[in-house]
Amino acid sequence: DAGVIQSPRHEVTEMGQEVTLRCKPISGHDYLFWYRQTMMRGLELLIYFNNNVPIDDSGMPEDRFSAKMPNASFSTLKIQPSEPRDSAVYFCASSPGHQETQYFGPGTRLLVL
Amino acid sequence: RKEVEQDPGPFNVPEGATVAFNCTYSNSASQSFFWYRQDCRKEPKLLMSVYSSGNEDGRFTAQLNRASQYISLLIRDSKLSDSATYLCVVKKSGGGADGLTFGKGTHLIIQP
Repeated sequence: DAGVIQSPRHEVTEMGQEVTLRCKPISGHDYLFWYRQTMMRGLELLIYFNNNVPIDDSGMPEDRFSAKMPNASFSTLKIQPSEPRDSAVYFCASSPGHQETQYFGPGTRLLVL
Repeated sequence: RKEVEQDPGPFNVPEGATVAFNCTYSNSASQSFFWYRQDCRKEPKLLMSVYSSGNEDGRFTAQLNRASQYISLLIRDSKLSDSATYLCVVKKSGGGADGLTFGKGTHLIIQP
């Protein structure tokens, strides 16, 4: 079975550019999460969706970040404009219903120069 | 005090030895606890849940001490493949799928 799929796996961009990260959750999972991981702050929850509806976006750093989930099989995390401090690994995870086990995708390594 | 604290390590342990590390949490209302494993440049994966009575999965034993607000992970007969970062995860009370708080992880290196 395919796990959580993320693209791109690596992204290098210049400050000020728009960055779009993509995620396909495991089929049948009702919850989708976006995390960011850095050495300094560890793994932080940015936002999560339940049945395509954003439930909690309190972890989104600022207005430059936005996330959408137009359907059950696709979500995007957009950063516009990007800044060097946004450099991190961004993980998408999905979970079946209310169970706590979250299955993570391979992550997108973002470097903003 | 941070919500979830772990000793970052690294813990350098010879193959075959037993190693244990703890994690402390600040919210006494926390309900669920987990250990995730993360290999270098990979995603976190659930290792095991931690139950109030303690639980074992092969060489791995997890324990919870609610009075002192810490959980522990014990690895017996360590293997080279156990080298990874172990993330302590705490779920707040209130239900739902949110509320997972990750520690920054403990880095374990098993040496031949």
